[in-house]
Amino acid sequence: DIVLTQSPDSLAVSLGERATINCKSTQNILNNSYRKDSLAWFQLKPGQPPKALIYWTSTRESGVPDRFSGSGSGTDFTLTISSLQIEDVAVYYCQQYYSGRTFGQGTRVEIK
Amino acid sequence: QVQLVQSGAEVKKPGDSLKVSCKTSGYTFIDYYVHWVRHVPGQGLECIGWIFPKSGGTHYEQKFQGRVAMTRDTSTSTVYMELTSLTSDDTALYYCTRENWYYDHWGQGTPVTVSS
Repeated sequence: DIVLTQSPDSLAVSLGERATINCKSTQNILNNSYRKDSLAWFQLKPGQPPKALIYWTSTRESGVPDRFSGSGSGTDFTLTISSLQIEDVAVYYCQQYYSGRTFGQGTRVEIK
Repeated sequence: QVQLVQSGAEVKKPGDSLKVSCKTSGYTFIDYYVHWVRHVPGQGLECIGWIFPKSGGTHYEQKFQGRVAMTRDTSTSTVYMELTSLTSDDTALYYCTRENWYYDHWGQGTPVTVSS
């Protein structure tokens, strides 16, 4: 099974500053047919279902603000929030869909 | 627009069974896998399994094999998840979600409490 490990487990960032979350996979998740890495990012807030932010590593879901961006390849991936807003306080999860489906353990983002 | 609407909150006793429904609309039901995911309070997101409505084929994560069953009703575009032999560890928010490679649309969640 593919295991995803996120770092850090939590981080506190000042409003307007950058937040960076890492996600490391135990194996390569490149979809050879699409030539894209099979990684998505979700945002989870209390009382709401998870919201897809990014898929295929770097494609932003419709309606997601452009301060959210995804990058990486192979086994190392990153979600960046370029300028943290109050509404971005949430837990963020990476997920691979290359082989079955697994999530990282989550990263809590708070305001410093 | 794509919608997944789940049944309401449940309170169960240890040993009970649970059946949650997920009614879909706004897309061709038989063409997309539907997965079930749960969120245990204070913990992360956990995949339970999936059903492919066109064939009724299913896959369950090893942890749940033997006590989960997913079914579908193509006449109402609804999928169901039944979980048996409940314990307090099954207390969680249960979600259905449509797979489009990633999970692009989610139900609103069904809170399940298992307590004696």
